[in-house]
Amino acid sequence: DQQVKQNSPSLSVQEGRISILNCDYTNSMFDYFLWYKKYPAEGPTFLISISSIKDKNEDGRFTVFLNKSAKHLSLHIVPSQPGDSAVYFCAASLGGYQKVTFGTGTKLQVIP
Amino acid sequence: DSGVTQTPKHLITATGQRVTLRCSPRSGDLSVYWYQQSLDQGLQFLIQYYNGEERAKGNILERFSAQQFPDLHSELNLSSLELGDSALYFCASSAGGDTGELFFGEGSRLTVL
Repeated sequence: DQQVKQNSPSLSVQEGRISILNCDYTNSMFDYFLWYKKYPAEGPTFLISISSIKDKNEDGRFTVFLNKSAKHLSLHIVPSQPGDSAVYFCAASLGGYQKVTFGTGTKLQVIP
Repeated sequence: DSGVTQTPKHLITATGQRVTLRCSPRSGDLSVYWYQQSLDQGLQFLIQYYNGEERAKGNILERFSAQQFPDLHSELNLSSLELGDSALYFCASSAGGDTGELFFGEGSRLTVL
């Protein structure tokens, strides 16, 4: 049962434009949603998170939007930079020391 | 540097063998998670420990086992290895908190020939 889904395995965007990565989930009990970034040969690193009681969280060029009724979240990167090229994982947790469930990832390529 | 250390970084072995992957969490983190990533697939949750006790179990095969020791380091044991066990195995640690943010090690790449 894939509780967190990223339906787009890859995305290609021109430098300076907006990148939008999408994620859907099925478990309405999730408390927090997180985005991780992964470069080749490295472990995933935390990027940004959002609480289930909010609908938007912004950190510099990165903004995450949460639509609870649709069980959908998205990560916006504006403007996109070549260094943003990586695999992005959406994740969801029940908070605290609970299991964190990851999506399958979206490979973002930002073209200079 | 996440502060999570995994050894070995690379491991090549044969089918039927047994290997042990080791993880040292960030200083002070009580919880350790193991994830498997195969062939550019997502991160599959295997198992979680909290302060030495098993906390949650995911899609972990019976041939695999793990434990967390009193000093909080963790080991993942993989036995009777099959070709399909070739993957990246990530360890992550967590300080808890509201978000459940995880800090990942660089992974151990296992190749079974």
